[in-house]
Amino acid sequence: IAGITQAPTSQILAAGRRMTLRCTQDMRHNAMYWYRQDLGLGLRLIHYSNTAGTTGKGEVPDGYSVSRANTDDFPLTLASAVPSQTSVYFCASSVGSGGIYEQYFGPGTRLTVT
Amino acid sequence: GENVEQHPSTLSVQEGDSAVIKCTYSDSASNYFPWYKQELGKGPQLIIDIRSNVGEKKDQRIAVTLNKTAKHFSLHITETQPEDSAVYFCAARSMEYGNKLVFGAGTILRVKS
Repeated sequence: IAGITQAPTSQILAAGRRMTLRCTQDMRHNAMYWYRQDLGLGLRLIHYSNTAGTTGKGEVPDGYSVSRANTDDFPLTLASAVPSQTSVYFCASSVGSGGIYEQYFGPGTRLTVT
Repeated sequence: GENVEQHPSTLSVQEGDSAVIKCTYSDSASNYFPWYKQELGKGPQLIIDIRSNVGEKKDQRIAVTLNKTAKHFSLHITETQPEDSAVYFCAARSMEYGNKLVFGAGTILRVKS
């Protein structure tokens, strides 16, 4: 069992370009999340999905969009990247929503926007 | 909305000593407080959690205490070992964002052998 996989591992992206970060889980978890991790700011929630077909905005959603077409995949798209989106991005999943379930994190994607 | 503050930002201890990391939260309605450990190059992993109906929870060398009146909770690691070196994040369940977790800024723990 792989758990959660993320791709790419790292990426250097020119400002203004479009980029999709991929996330796939094989645990059949209902809820999925995208966080960004920045030094001194911890993990901040970008978007979440409580179940396939639904999404919601987190603390820092501007400049990002997500979709949840099925249970396993939860891609994060940057429509037009800006340098402030340079960060490490983590995808996570949990068996249920509501914030009281253990979240399983992927290995992260390190994104640099130049 | 919920605000979680975590201290210290870095902590160095000698192997075998205890380590304590403290967090405060702002939303009195928060009722779930997990701690995550992140090793270098990996995603965070849950190590212990506590709900608001208990004051303390232990799991071998780690324990978490919760003071709901003061709105703070702490992680205690006893008999620290080199493999405890990592970044530790506290979190609180927020009524915002669909009852999701709000994380603290993290503590870098270094255990010196």
